[in-house]
Order: sequence, then C-alpha cells, then structure tokens
Amino acid sequence: SQKIEQNSEALNIQEGKTATLTCNYTNYSPAYLQWYRQDPGRGPVFLLLIRENEKEKRKERLKVTFDTTLKQSLFHITASQPADSATYLCALDMRGTGGGNKLTFGTGTQLKVEL
Amino acid sequence: DTEVTQTPKHLVMGMTNKKSLKCEQHMGHRAMYWYKQKAKKPPELMFVYSYEKLSINESVPSRFSPECPNSSLLNLHLHALQPEDSALYLCASSQGGRGSTDTQYFGPGTRLTVL
Repeated sequence: SQKIEQNSEALNIQEGKTATLTCNYTNYSPAYLQWYRQDPGRGPVFLLLIRENEKEKRKERLKVTFDTTLKQSLFHITASQPADSATYLCALDMRGTGGGNKLTFGTGTQLKVEL
Repeated sequence: DTEVTQTPKHLVMGMTNKKSLKCEQHMGHRAMYWYKQKAKKPPELMFVYSYEKLSINESVPSRFSPECPNSSLLNLHLHALQPEDSALYLCASSQGGRGSTDTQYFGPGTRLTVL
C-alpha cells in the first residue's frame, strides 16, 4: 500500500525565512498531489494542487514542486509569518472511477514560525 | 457560500447508544466524504459518496453507517461504538464531476467521545 512520509513532525523557523516541507511517497505516482493546512481543532483547508505533468505551482508566498522520478513534493512558504504556524498535510489524490477522489494524507508537519 | 457545516460540534455517547452526525453543504458539490482523525494523526478516509451513491467504502466496520439523503446532506449513523472510535470526524465535499480539480472543502468536524 502507498506510504507517505513528511520530513519531520515539527519544524521551527524564524519569521521572514523560507520554510521547506517535504513529502515523500512510495509505490505509484498519483495524477495529482494536494497540500492542505490544518489548525488545531479545525478541518484541513486546501492550499495548492499540482498535476503529475507540472513541475511547479505558485500561489502568493506558496510554492509547490512535484518530482515523480524522486517520488517527492516540496512545499515552500517564503517570508514566513507567525500566522503561518499550523500543521501542513500533503495528500496523494487518486481519482475514483465512480466519481469523487480518494485522498491519502501524509503524516503532517507541524510548522512553528517564531518571532 | 464555501462552507461545510457539521453538527453536533461535540458528542459523547455510550457503547450502547445510537447517534448520528450530520453534514451539509450548499456549494452544489456532487461528491461528499467522511474522514476519521485521531489525535496527532492525518485524516483517514472512510466513505465517498458521488452523486448520492456510495462509491468508496474503506472497509469501515458496520457500526458506522453512512447515508446521503440528497446532494446537500450527508449523515453518519453510529451504533454500538467502541472507545477506540473516539476521534474527530470530518466531513468534506468536492465538485465531483469529470475534469474537475476536486479540491476538497472540509467542515470543522465533530469531536466524538465513546465511553
């Protein structure tokens, strides 16, 4: 079965620096890979989606890369702020033949941005 | 309206009780999902409904019974649960159609405690 690992359970960085989170998976490559943010006691919030034929996607201070050869996605937050502190989840996205999609989430990285 | 609502926020039940969790969305989404999330773990997919039909059941025990009465509503009926079923139960929805990006919108979750 698919195994998805994110680089570390916790990552502390200084405000203004770039945070880089890693998502590694085994076995087959999904057609899509998604990144979500989750705050304590709340549901995940979608951030970015990248397709298997895309190398890079950007949205404001966020950037995600997808390397199907390495079976890895990198998620970057530039000019990080304390408000970016949260748990970040990568999710492999397998489209169901019956409709909807099956997300398998990684273990998550808890990011803390310090002043 | 990009909101998924879930009721109740918190639920405490005994092992012999029958209760239901409710989820609602008014985004016109045709795919709806139930996830289970234990503390400090990622969400785990339980069920997927597409166009009001069950399309994925991730081998969930029969004490959890999903129901999709219409395209806006999703229920999860609970009966004879075990203490290890205590978790945050998340509902999500996505467009669900062919060719859609199918990013998922999550509700805030129901915190379930089984005594």
